[in-house]
Amino acid sequence: QKEVEQNSGPLSVPEGAIASLNCTYSDRGSQSFFWYRQYSGKSPELIMSIYSNGDKEDGRFTAQLNKASQYVSLLIRDSQPSDSATYLCAGTTAGANNLFFGTGTRLTVIP
Amino acid sequence: DAGITQSPRHKVTETGTPVTLRCHQTENHRYMYWYRQDPGHGLRLIHYSYGVKDTDKGEVSDGYSVSRSKTEDFLLTLESATSSQTSVYFCAIGNEQFFGPGTRLTVL
Repeated sequence: QKEVEQNSGPLSVPEGAIASLNCTYSDRGSQSFFWYRQYSGKSPELIMSIYSNGDKEDGRFTAQLNKASQYVSLLIRDSQPSDSATYLCAGTTAGANNLFFGTGTRLTVIP
Repeated sequence: DAGITQSPRHKVTETGTPVTLRCHQTENHRYMYWYRQDPGHGLRLIHYSYGVKDTDKGEVSDGYSVSRSKTEDFLLTLESATSSQTSVYFCAIGNEQFFGPGTRLTVL
């Protein structure tokens, strides 16, 4: 079983809509979770980190963590064509800084 | 790119040749990481370092070695490159892992 699993997508949403990206993880000891955005041919770029249960908002982005359900999500409000990218979910292993990445969800925002 | 550079950015080599990739940071971060990214597999950790001369293996370390003699430099070596090591290699630094621009390696 993979440590971190994401909906493989691809996901398409119209401009201005809410995009919802989901991720589950298998290690109950995982403490920290991260969302990265990766444009084609570029390196991953950190957009959100979340460490405790609940919601964390940063501009148009909201990360949600539910440790009981081992579930992490990223909501993008008012989606823009520039949000079109692959989104990577990552979580730490228990007691370590190492990250396990999901395979990513490709998001396309249609103008 | 949070003060991270990788060199070379592109390399084509032949099977059986040694290859060294360099990651250089100007952020004085203790932690440095090497990943490879392949279609269908996502990012996989090769090796990581938690300080000068302190390194450890990641998920896919076979066929790779690393060295860190200075805080700012983390080297990844393929002792004898194979076609299965054709990939994009990323270096990352810090607890939240900021990534360098990547190296595209092709082994013929």
